[in-house]
Amino acid sequence: QSALTQPRSVSGSPGQSVTISCTGTSSDIGAYNFVSWYQEHPGKAPKLMIYDVSRRPSGVPDRFSGSKSGNTASLTISGLQAEDEADYYCCSFAGIYPKVFGTGTKVTV
Amino acid sequence: QVQLVQSGAEVKKPGSSVKVSCKASGGTFSNYAITWVRQAPGQGLEWMGGIIPIIGTADYAQKFQGRVTITADESTNTAYMELSSLRSEDTALYFCARGGYYDISGPLDYWGQGTLVTVSS
Repeated sequence: QSALTQPRSVSGSPGQSVTISCTGTSSDIGAYNFVSWYQEHPGKAPKLMIYDVSRRPSGVPDRFSGSKSGNTASLTISGLQAEDEADYYCCSFAGIYPKVFGTGTKVTV
Repeated sequence: QVQLVQSGAEVKKPGSSVKVSCKASGGTFSNYAITWVRQAPGQGLEWMGGIIPIIGTADYAQKFQGRVTITADESTNTAYMELSSLRSEDTALYFCARGGYYDISGPLDYWGQGTLVTVSS
């Protein structure tokens, strides 16, 4: 099972919006609505930001939103803040495998 | 508040095995999946496998089949990940994380602090 494809990096100014794409196949993202997103700051454990494509855990700001179209999922960060600078990973259920992560995207503010 | 506390860093020789522990507190242990994710230096996250303690059987990523064993001890709320036939490419930070309720593939909402495993001769 190959890793999901994400852009290596995206950047934006404070207050702007950025969108991170996550491209998979018809066997993972395209087949299930079980996409999650994780934020990772250097030296820290990853943090769940989005699950089931677009649901936010308690405590995650509503600036973070998720969506999916076909084999591609997206994470949008609106009103970018300095503390949003981190690495972001998508993850999808992949049937028999059963989970696969994306390649990771560095967000620079 | 759920907490996952992992065992300390390990240095291992190629060909040997390593066993990392993950002790849970503050929540229900038996019904939630415990999964293992690793991150090689400067690399991305990689899902290794998981277990639902009350069920006891583990599910593994194809890449690690035959080389990783994930177990759980309900009496101590502790999960374990053992990786054998270690090679230098296994040098990584190994995380445990809580998955879904009776769902190994569920979202990972609580994470351990990570255990650095270094494989070197």
